Amino acid sequence: RKEVEQDPGPFNVPEGATVAFNCTYSNSASQSFFWYRQDCRKEPKLLMSVYSSGNEDGRFTAQLNRASQYISLLIRDSKLSDSATYLCVMGGSQGNLIFGKGTKLSVKP
Amino acid sequence: DTEVTQTPKHLVMGMTNKKSLKCEQHMGHRAMYWYKQKAKKPPELMFVYSYEKLSINESVPSRFSPECPNSSLLNLHLHALQPEDSALYLCASSQEGRANYGYTFGSGTRLTVV
Repeated sequence: RKEVEQDPGPFNVPEGATVAFNCTYSNSASQSFFWYRQDCRKEPKLLMSVYSSGNEDGRFTAQLNRASQYISLLIRDSKLSDSATYLCVMGGSQGNLIFGKGTKLSVKP
Repeated sequence: DTEVTQTPKHLVMGMTNKKSLKCEQHMGHRAMYWYKQKAKKPPELMFVYSYEKLSINESVPSRFSPECPNSSLLNLHLHALQPEDSALYLCASSQEGRANYGYTFGSGTRLTVV
C-alpha cells in the first residue's frame, strides 16, 4: 500500500464550482500533513497545512480525520487560476515530505 | 531572504559528462533536501542533509553524489547519467529538519540527458 494515495483525476469543472479532493495515508504515526499546489513545469508550493480541527484560508478548506487516516481539500467558487495539480503530502520522520501522486484540476470558463 | 536558489535552471548533458547542480539558501535552515520529479509523477526524495551531514540516502545510484560544503549550500554531482535520469531536480530546505517548519523549494533544475 502506498504511503499517500489520492485520486489522480483529472477533475474538469466550470468556474464557480465547488470541488473536493480526498487523500488517504497509511502511517498512523505521522504528525504533519499538507496540501501543495504545483503548476505545470514549476516547483510545488505550500497551499496550506492540515489540522484535525480543520482550517480555512479564503475559498480553501482542509480537514484531517486521524481516525480514518483521511485528508480532504475543498475549493469553493473555483477560479481559472486554480487550475493546477494538487498534491497531498505527509511529513516524514526525517523532515522529508512524502507526496501523493497528485490530482489534476482544470477549471474551465 | 526567503528563497532557495537553484542553478542552472536548465541543463543538457551527455552520458559521459560530469556536471553539478547547485542549491543555496540563506534562511538559516539546517536541513536540505534533493528530490527528483519525473514528468507526471510526484517528487521523490533522494537525499537529506541535516546539520551538514547526510542523514538519508534513498538508495540513489552512485552516479548521483551529493555534497554539503556548508549550511547554506548543497550540491549534486552528476556523472555517467542515463537518459532515464532526465527529470526536474528540486532542492528544498527546512528549519531544524521539520516538515512543518518553513519548508521551501527551489524552482528546480530541468535536466535532460542525451
